[in-house]
Amino acid sequence: AQKVTQAQTEISVVEKEDVTLDCVYETRDTTYYLFWYKQPPSGELVFLIRRNSFDEQNEISGRYSWNFQKSTSSFNFTITASQVVDSAVYFCALSEAWGDAGGTSYGKLTFGQGTILTVHP
Amino acid sequence: EAQVTQNPRYLITVTGKKLTVTCSQNMNHEYMSWYRQDPGLGLRQIYYSMNVEVTDKGDVPEGYKVSRKEKRNFPLILESPSPNQTSLYFCASSLGSDVAYEQYFGPGTRLTVT
Repeated sequence: AQKVTQAQTEISVVEKEDVTLDCVYETRDTTYYLFWYKQPPSGELVFLIRRNSFDEQNEISGRYSWNFQKSTSSFNFTITASQVVDSAVYFCALSEAWGDAGGTSYGKLTFGQGTILTVHP
Repeated sequence: EAQVTQNPRYLITVTGKKLTVTCSQNMNHEYMSWYRQDPGLGLRQIYYSMNVEVTDKGDVPEGYKVSRKEKRNFPLILESPSPNQTSLYFCASSLGSDVAYEQYFGPGTRLTVT
């Protein structure tokens, strides 16, 4: 089963539109972390936000905002008044505790499939 | 500047020719890992290392080897590359292996195997 699902493969908007990128996750852990990363056309991964499972407060950073809802296992990302520079692939990721073959626990980061956002002028 | 570096950034090679992608971090991080990114699949973990001389398989380890002889370096080795290993590869490091730690990613290595 997919642990992190980004159902929107591609989204296309016109500049200044608001856009929401959906992320649904699956975990049995009570302690976990959720992340969003941006991958611009240049290819590097840019960290946007980290949110732990105990903090359901929404977060706003400039034109970016994140809505974390444990009841629906979702961590959606909204860009307000989108700009051409927002065009990128966006990844949602889940960090949860995994046990390796030797029984040692470690934090495993699982990514969604990514959403390609294109903002047209 | 705290960073994760990878070399080379771009590589085109032929089937069967052994290659190594280097990864180095200057943050004294214990945990390092390699991911590959493929369209529609996101990033998938290849191998990880919790510390020097401690490595283990991730989700897609077939065809890859790693080593961790020094804390700062975590090279990815493809002994006999095949076209299905054409991908974008990322190295990452974090302070420790706990679920809370953020992973810092390198700039990526785009590998093409013909």
